Amino acid sequence: NAGVMQNPRHLVRRRGQEARLRCSPMKGHSHVYWYRQLPEEGLKFMVYLQKENIIDESGMPKERFSAEFPKEGPSILRIQQVVRGDSAAYFCASSVGGSSYNEQFFGPGTRLTVL
Amino acid sequence: AQKITQTQPGMFVQEKEAVTLDCTYDTSDQSYGLFWYKQPSSGEMIFLIYQGSYDEQNATEGRYSLNFQKARKSANLVISASQLGDSAMYFCAMREFSGNTGKLIFGQGTTLQVKP
Repeated sequence: NAGVMQNPRHLVRRRGQEARLRCSPMKGHSHVYWYRQLPEEGLKFMVYLQKENIIDESGMPKERFSAEFPKEGPSILRIQQVVRGDSAAYFCASSVGGSSYNEQFFGPGTRLTVL
Repeated sequence: AQKITQTQPGMFVQEKEAVTLDCTYDTSDQSYGLFWYKQPSSGEMIFLIYQGSYDEQNATEGRYSLNFQKARKSANLVISASQLGDSAMYFCAMREFSGNTGKLIFGQGTTLQVKP
């Protein structure tokens, strides 16, 4: 059973470009969480999604950031018009259910560098 | 508001000795879970150990144990018989069970270096 997959593992963008980060949850998991880790810091919650629904986006910046988890295919975190401050590691985690008791399994992360 | 505090930015330990990594938390929830993750230089997040707020016994997983002191709101990680491969960043995290969103709140992390 493959783990959580994220691609690309490394992404370089110039200021003003768009970044699209993909997360394929573990088989059988329909709940996805996105976290951001700035350099030398801990992970910060961004958004929690179920298939076709955003459940909690309290950690998402109000502008330029969006996330989706369509019925088919991976979850996508999109960052429009990237700025240098968006440079970070973005981690996706998945769980089988939405209960707080369900363990989250983390992917390897996408390292975004904005030049 | 929920918060996790790790006051030790960096720690050193001699190989084969034990080390304690501190973690304190703040929550108004009665029901919550506490987690420790290891992040080696390769960057992935590795789950180490879990403690539920209603668990009476301290959690143990191999060389990892969690010193849970509920009244003091602390959940320190103890690594026994340190190995060179334990050198990594360690994060304490909390999940509140109310609200049912399951999001994890992380501390700032502690960098552990094991000396040969």
